[in-house]
Amino acid sequence: DAKTTQPPSMDCAEGRAANLPCNHSTISGNEYVYWYRQIHSQGPQYIIHGLKNNETNEMASLIITEDRKSSTLILPHATLRDTAVYYCIVRVADSWGKFQFGAGTQVVVTP
Amino acid sequence: EAQVTQNPRYLITVTGKKLTVTCSQNMNHEYMSWYRQDPGLGLRQIYYSMNVEVTDKGDVPEGYKVSRKEKRNFPLILESPSPNQTSLYFCASSRPPDNEQFFGPGTRLTVL
Repeated sequence: DAKTTQPPSMDCAEGRAANLPCNHSTISGNEYVYWYRQIHSQGPQYIIHGLKNNETNEMASLIITEDRKSSTLILPHATLRDTAVYYCIVRVADSWGKFQFGAGTQVVVTP
Repeated sequence: EAQVTQNPRYLITVTGKKLTVTCSQNMNHEYMSWYRQDPGLGLRQIYYSMNVEVTDKGDVPEGYKVSRKEKRNFPLILESPSPNQTSLYFCASSRPPDNEQFFGPGTRLTVL
């Protein structure tokens, strides 16, 4: 299974864009990149996912490098409510139900 | 409202006393999963189910059982709980092809 590497923490100023990196150098061709976040001890919340094209929704943008070995989640205008742990996950190719979360990145948005 | 519910939300029990944590979803999702979350270890998948009567082990299945007799329900059973199962538990559901997981609010279990 492809593993992901994320920085343990990062700070972001309110109103600025937050760029969260994720390395997944062993990702295989049919594995997707998913992003979730968890605010305090609440249930994780889905943000976005992609295979190889860049994706955007109302919450964020996902930029995947051409070689697919890394990606960046962009929160365009961070707010205090975006303070959370952000998880980059690569879905196991041969099992739709199996997910492996890493340690994530603790993002703190400051006023 | 689309949601995943878990009960109980908080539970304190003693070693060896069988317990069940219920999970229910109202989105007609095929896939359901159970995770546990421990400080320093992150979220780890216990079991998952791809549909009724189809379940499989995740990364930490020891000491747990599950069943999927109905599409909407996926209970987690601890036949003989031990203190190392003290944890925060999350249930999640999703469906293909996007497999966007919806998580429940969590169950905080303490085994004394």
